[in-house]
Amino acid sequence: IAGITQAPTSQILAAGRRMTLRCTQDMRHNAMYWYRQDLGLGLRLIHYSNTAGTTGKGEVPDGYSVSRANTDDFPLTLASAVPSQTSVYFCASSAGEVLSHTDTQYFGPGTRLTVL
Amino acid sequence: RKEVEQDPGPFNVPEGATVAFNCTYSNSASQSFFWYRQDCRKEPKLLMSVYSSGNEDGRFTAQLNRASQYISLLIRDSKLSDSATYLCVVNGQAGTALIFGKGTTLSVSS
Repeated sequence: IAGITQAPTSQILAAGRRMTLRCTQDMRHNAMYWYRQDLGLGLRLIHYSNTAGTTGKGEVPDGYSVSRANTDDFPLTLASAVPSQTSVYFCASSAGEVLSHTDTQYFGPGTRLTVL
Repeated sequence: RKEVEQDPGPFNVPEGATVAFNCTYSNSASQSFFWYRQDCRKEPKLLMSVYSSGNEDGRFTAQLNRASQYISLLIRDSKLSDSATYLCVVNGQAGTALIFGKGTTLSVSS
């Protein structure tokens, strides 16, 4: 069982380009999340999904979009990348829905994105 | 006031030492509290949940003080392998996910 996988592991991207970060979990978890982690700022929630077919905005959603067509996949898209989106991106999942707040969140290994 | 505040450290301690980390949170309605551990350039992993009565897991003890909105983590008999960043995590307001502190860095040396 892989848990949560993310792809790519790292990417260097020219500003203005479109980029999709992939996230797949095999635990049949209902809730999934995207965070970015920046030095000195900690983990910040970008978007989340309670269950397949629904998504919501987190603390820093601008410039990002997500979709949840099925339980396993939760891709994050940067429509037109900017240098301020240089960060480490973590996908996470938990068994319950976001509102329960009590489930353990399991994180993927992260994607290191550099926008030049 | 930030939602979850931690002393960033770093805490530099010798093997065998006891070290304590503190965390304060701003939302008095928070119900769920956790400590996560993050190794350098790796993903965060749950270390332990924090219960109202306090709880212990081996060398690790977590305490919660709701009146002061304060959480602590005590590590006894520190090991080299305890070197990491420890994240204090609290649930946000209704309808949102978890709120992560910026983390406290621990370095254990021989």
